[in-house]
Amino acid sequence: AQKITQTQPGMFVQEKEAVTLDCTYDTSDPSYGLFWYKHPSSGEMIFLIYQGSYDQQNATEGRYSLNFQKARKSANLVISASQLGDSAMYFCAMRGPNTDKLIFGTGTRLQVFP
Amino acid sequence: GAVVSQHPSWVICKSGTSVKIECRSLDFQATTMFWYRQFPKQSLMLMATSNEGSKATYEQGVEKDKFLINHASLTLSTLTVTSAHPEDSSFYICSARDRHIPLHFGNGTRLTVT
Repeated sequence: AQKITQTQPGMFVQEKEAVTLDCTYDTSDPSYGLFWYKHPSSGEMIFLIYQGSYDQQNATEGRYSLNFQKARKSANLVISASQLGDSAMYFCAMRGPNTDKLIFGTGTRLQVFP
Repeated sequence: GAVVSQHPSWVICKSGTSVKIECRSLDFQATTMFWYRQFPKQSLMLMATSNEGSKATYEQGVEKDKFLINHASLTLSTLTVTSAHPEDSSFYICSARDRHIPLHFGNGTRLTVT
């Protein structure tokens, strides 16, 4: 069975600093996709970044990068130069082969302070 | 801007009444939409897959007679919580996929049953 684990219920980071949000996963499928979503308290679930299991390089999207360590089954999200607007819940999710169903972690609440 | 619109954003209803939640894809056709539910401090859990023109596929443990899903058109799926009870109070969120990899999510609906 597939499983996503986010062990950090909450994280604090000072503005302009970098922060890493942890995500580990478990699956027996060789083909899968990993996602990170941002969920502000008052807004929609925002797609941030995607990593395919066969991608050779770590995904990057602006200030977001995914530290993909396949052997350790981890897909940590790194946010560089944190901004106050980054304060939100962050969800790690996984999708198996030939499906659009996502399995989510419990989320990490990130608080950026000045 | 948002490509998936979910309505209402929050709703309070009395126990025993039914509540309908709408999920619309705004500028693309979605043959498949997904409905998730999140209880406090838990993961987003997939409830069902909504298929346009056919019956929804429910995940194990989700009561199909209680959570009615209708995907009558390529841009609209509805979730009706029938005879709602306080234990149905939760955060419900829909998602839809267009041609691109990431799933687009609605803003979610906070349901409180009194």
